[in-house]
Amino acid sequence: KAGVTQTPRYLIKTRGQQVTLSCSPISGHRSVSWYQQTPGQGLQFLFEYFSETQRNKGNFPGRFSGRQFSNSRSEMNVSTLELGDSALYLCASMDSGQRDEQFFGPGTRLTVL
Amino acid sequence: QQQVKQSPQSLIVQKGGISIINCAYENTAFDYFPWYQQFPGKGPALLIAIRPDVSEKKEGRFTISFNKSAKQFSLHIMDSQPGDSATYFCAADSGGYQKVTFGTGTKLQVIP
Repeated sequence: KAGVTQTPRYLIKTRGQQVTLSCSPISGHRSVSWYQQTPGQGLQFLFEYFSETQRNKGNFPGRFSGRQFSNSRSEMNVSTLELGDSALYLCASMDSGQRDEQFFGPGTRLTVL
Repeated sequence: QQQVKQSPQSLIVQKGGISIINCAYENTAFDYFPWYQQFPGKGPALLIAIRPDVSEKKEGRFTISFNKSAKQFSLHIMDSQPGDSATYFCAADSGGYQKVTFGTGTKLQVIP
């Protein structure tokens, strides 16, 4: 099976812009989670989608949003970008979402200037 | 609030030595503790995991030790190899739907 894919791999944006990141989970996986990875904070959970419904949400401002499509592909959107949003954004997929192993994609490196 | 504290931040070990990474948690609802390994340019990958009903789990050169009363767990890498050079994350899960809390990571460098 193909692994988790994320596009684009790299993005450079300026403050105030918005950005959309995409994640394609492993075929058959219905759960997609998003994480923000920064050197100082490690991996921080953003949200999780299962069968097109947001099932769990971390402590991030409303500028961070996401959605999942019927084919389980997911997108994450960040509006009104701030310098502090510069990070590696990781997507992880799982089969059912309960204690299954998470499979991570390679991430999208976002730089906000 | 950091619920899983990981140390050290970085670690240099000679080839053949033992690498030890420690984590501590506060939330007693955590009942599943995975470790992830991340190479540069890649996403984290599950390495080994433990539940608190056992005090130790070993898979090859990798061992998790778990101390429930102290709320601490650690990863031991025996006979460390240069190929083990990566960033390691401990994590804790309290069940329910995907709400895993990660430590801040340890960058391990194994020198020949």
